[in-house]
Amino acid sequence: DTAVSQTPKYLVTQMGNDKSIKCEQNLGHDTMYWYKQDSKKFLKIMFSYNNKELIINETVPNRFSPKSPDKAHLNLHINSLELGDSAVYFCASSPTLAGPTDTQYFGPGTRLTVL
Amino acid sequence: GQNIDQPTEMTATEGAIVQINCTYQTSGFNGLFWYQQHAGEAPTFLSYNVLDGLEEKGRFSSFLSRSKGYSYLLLKELQMKDSASYLCAVRPSGAGSYQLTFGKGTKLSVIP
Repeated sequence: DTAVSQTPKYLVTQMGNDKSIKCEQNLGHDTMYWYKQDSKKFLKIMFSYNNKELIINETVPNRFSPKSPDKAHLNLHINSLELGDSAVYFCASSPTLAGPTDTQYFGPGTRLTVL
Repeated sequence: GQNIDQPTEMTATEGAIVQINCTYQTSGFNGLFWYQQHAGEAPTFLSYNVLDGLEEKGRFSSFLSRSKGYSYLLLKELQMKDSASYLCAVRPSGAGSYQLTFGKGTKLSVIP
């Protein structure tokens, strides 16, 4: 009965490679997010999708491309990986986009290490 | 822009009470959230405040003063399992109201 799931949990890869992280939520939520948490534990929003449409695209290099095939899935593809991309990436979802009390539910995270 | 400040680290004794402060400066205000994050795990929701005052949930309480741009999370009867990072997050109003801005988190260590 996992609410928000991500795969893989760990990802180790070489610089320059392309990789994808998948996220699924079974909560029936409309909105999904990608966050990056760096080594200093700072959690920063990258993207937000509402009903498969991109809402937020923070200052993120265009090597990062999110894709939402349906509102239960939000995948993150990263091209030409760089050392600075090493971080934990969290997927999250919330019932709606701007409901004032809407809580965000986080997936378990994907720890990406770029060598 | 948004600015959220929390202490980086705190240490407290098992059974004691600890207060974790958060100050914020945001373009409008539409709610403040507290999340708990154990090492290597996902953040989990603890509390939400949008009106001034104290919200109590068992051993955890959260307080908000909008005029001061200030919140605190109060943890009572500390247990070892409360050792975690506590993240303060603010939702602004208006444009961007769908977005949460997180502070850098306060790492709480509970010692015997």
